[in-house]
Amino acid sequence: AQSVTQPDIHITVSEGASLELRCNYSYGATPYLFWYVQSPGQGLQLLLKYFSGDTLVQGIKGFEAEFKRSQSSFNLRKPSVHWSDAAEYFCAVFTSGGSYIPTFGRGTSLIVHP
Amino acid sequence: DTEVTQTPKHLVMGMTNKKSLKCEQHMGHRAMYWYKQKAKKPPELMFVYSYEKLSINESVPSRFSPECPNSSLLNLHLHALQPEDSALYLCASSLLPGQGDNEQFFGPGTRLTVL
Repeated sequence: AQSVTQPDIHITVSEGASLELRCNYSYGATPYLFWYVQSPGQGLQLLLKYFSGDTLVQGIKGFEAEFKRSQSSFNLRKPSVHWSDAAEYFCAVFTSGGSYIPTFGRGTSLIVHP
Repeated sequence: DTEVTQTPKHLVMGMTNKKSLKCEQHMGHRAMYWYKQKAKKPPELMFVYSYEKLSINESVPSRFSPECPNSSLLNLHLHALQPEDSALYLCASSLLPGQGDNEQFFGPGTRLTVL
C-alpha cells in the first residue's frame, strides 16, 4: 500500500529565510505527487503537482518541489519565506494502480518568526 | 468559476438534531468527495461520488448520509451525531473519477460543533 511520510511536525523559520519541507513516499512505481497548503480554518489549496517530465516543478506563491526517484522524495522549497506562508502543509500521493484517492501525509506546521 | 463552495461555514447542533451540509461546484467535475478533518490532522476520506453515484464509503457511520442530487451539488445529511463528530468537513471535486492526474479542488469547509 502507498504511504506518505512528512517527518517534521513543526518547522520554524525566520521571515526571509529559505524553507524546505520534507516528503517521502512509499510505492514501487512513479506516483502522482501533490503539495497542498491549508491556512487555519480554511480548505486545502494546491501549491503544485508532479506527474511526469521535469523533476523540478514550479508552483504558486513562489514554491517549488523536486521529485527524486532514488530517494522517494518530493520536498517542497521556497527561497524566501513571508509571514503569510505560516500554515499547515500537506504532501499527498496518488498511485496509478490504486483507486486514485489521495493518501495524505500527516502535515507539517510552518511557523514564521518576524 | 473555479471554486467549490460550502454552506454553512459554521454549524452548531445538538445530538438529536438533523442538519445538512451543502457543497456546490460549477466546473463540470464528475467526481466529488467528502472529507472529515480533525485539528492538526490530515483530511480523512468519507465518501466519493463518481458520476453522481456513490462509489466509495470509507466505513462511515450511518448517522452521516451523503446525497448527490446532480453533478454540481453534494449534500451530507447529519442525524444523531456525537460530540466526537465535531470537526471541519471538507468537500472536494475533481474532473474525472479514477484519474490520478486530476487534482482535487477543495472547498473552505464547514466547521461543525456537536454539543
